[in-house]
Amino acid sequence: DTAVSQTPKYLVTQMGNDKSIKCEQNLGHDTMYWYKQDSKKFLKIMFSYNNKELIINETVPNRFSPKSPDKAHLNLHINSLELGDSAVYFCASSQDRWAEAFFGQGTRLTVV
Amino acid sequence: AQKVTQAQTEISVVEKEDVTLDCVYETRDTTYYLFWYKQPPSGELVFLIRRNSFDEQNEISGRYSWNFQKSTSSFNFTITASQVVDSAVYFCALSEGVNAGNMLTFGGGTRLMVKP
Repeated sequence: DTAVSQTPKYLVTQMGNDKSIKCEQNLGHDTMYWYKQDSKKFLKIMFSYNNKELIINETVPNRFSPKSPDKAHLNLHINSLELGDSAVYFCASSQDRWAEAFFGQGTRLTVV
Repeated sequence: AQKVTQAQTEISVVEKEDVTLDCVYETRDTTYYLFWYKQPPSGELVFLIRRNSFDEQNEISGRYSWNFQKSTSSFNFTITASQVVDSAVYFCALSEGVNAGNMLTFGGGTRLMVKP
């Protein structure tokens, strides 16, 4: 039973499209995150979401927006996709703001 | 601003050798957390350890051990008697402050290759 699951695992789309990546955690955690890993393996935080409080990394373009329908889900919406958005996107969750984060398996997004 | 440096981008060892992965961090906060994660070739990120800034005790877990030294702002990771299954990219990460939302700042990673 997967603790943090993301769908889809692979996503190939054209520039200019809008896409979403879904994330669900069954750990009962309070905080969820989105991270981006580029082709050089650098990992960067995008968002942290806890109890309706969203913290945004200021470097993230506003084309990216997280949506949380409930505590167990944090979906990532991306508008007007660009080539530079190609990366692996990881969802994660933690019990609270200071606990270790558990990661999903990642979604490899390729924009062509 | 916080920063994490993993100076070793790639390390290659032969099985059964011991190997130490270095991690140096920068932060202005007195309260912070340090982490190590493993990313095997399959791509998932696996949590290894979390340490808070007030606990400088070293930790050992099987073949893994961690050395936290605030004086040098380092949190190094040693694998004893390395095995081929240890081959992965290892990330050190930092989370600072009680209001930072636990947003991890990752180092650039160290790719460890263990050869049989």
